[in-house]
Amino acid sequence: GESVGLHLPTLSVQEGDNSIINCAYSNSASDYFIWYKQESGKGPQFIIDIRSNMDKRQGQRVTVLLNKTVKHLSLQIAATQPGDSAVYFCAETLNNAGNMLTFGGGTRLMVKP
Amino acid sequence: DGGITQSPKYLFRKEGQNVTLSCEQNLNHDAMYWYRQDPGQGLRLIYYSQIVNDFQKGDIAEGYSVSREKKESFPLTVTSAQKNPTAFYLCASSSRGLEQYFGPGTRLTVT
Repeated sequence: GESVGLHLPTLSVQEGDNSIINCAYSNSASDYFIWYKQESGKGPQFIIDIRSNMDKRQGQRVTVLLNKTVKHLSLQIAATQPGDSAVYFCAETLNNAGNMLTFGGGTRLMVKP
Repeated sequence: DGGITQSPKYLFRKEGQNVTLSCEQNLNHDAMYWYRQDPGQGLRLIYYSQIVNDFQKGDIAEGYSVSREKKESFPLTVTSAQKNPTAFYLCASSSRGLEQYFGPGTRLTVT
């Protein structure tokens, strides 16, 4: 079936810098997207979501951008902190897919002090 | 305190034994899910249940079984037929919204 995301790459950033984590999706019909954060040994935590009728959504220190033309999703973290170190997953779904999510492979973010 | 609980956090079993992982939620969610995660990998769907007394296979259901007798509970049994059972197992639930809420996970080691 169609899949979301990339194999697990690693992004290393300096504390205080901004981070940008990218995700490519292949199902052009997907209409809802979520970013999750997973710390080592724990379950994923919801960060932010966006529907396909939007191209940008902001939360606290995080922004999700959706480019439907190129089927690309990004998560921007402002002023990255050591506590942001984790694996970040994007997930996609169709509104009529019965809550089924397709997860990408994730990106490991490492924050250097 | 609402949420999803999984127990135990760590589980060790000998090869050839069946083992059941617990997942309980008090969020009143209709849907529940089981995922498997291997080191450095993403989440792969094992089984899911959209409603009590009903469940469907996910992408990697072979060697696993589930039951959904109560809305709050969705136990996963890892059978001896599962060829490579050592992994991190995550349970999730969701309501009408599309977001899935995850439990803390159970790390199963089979030797």
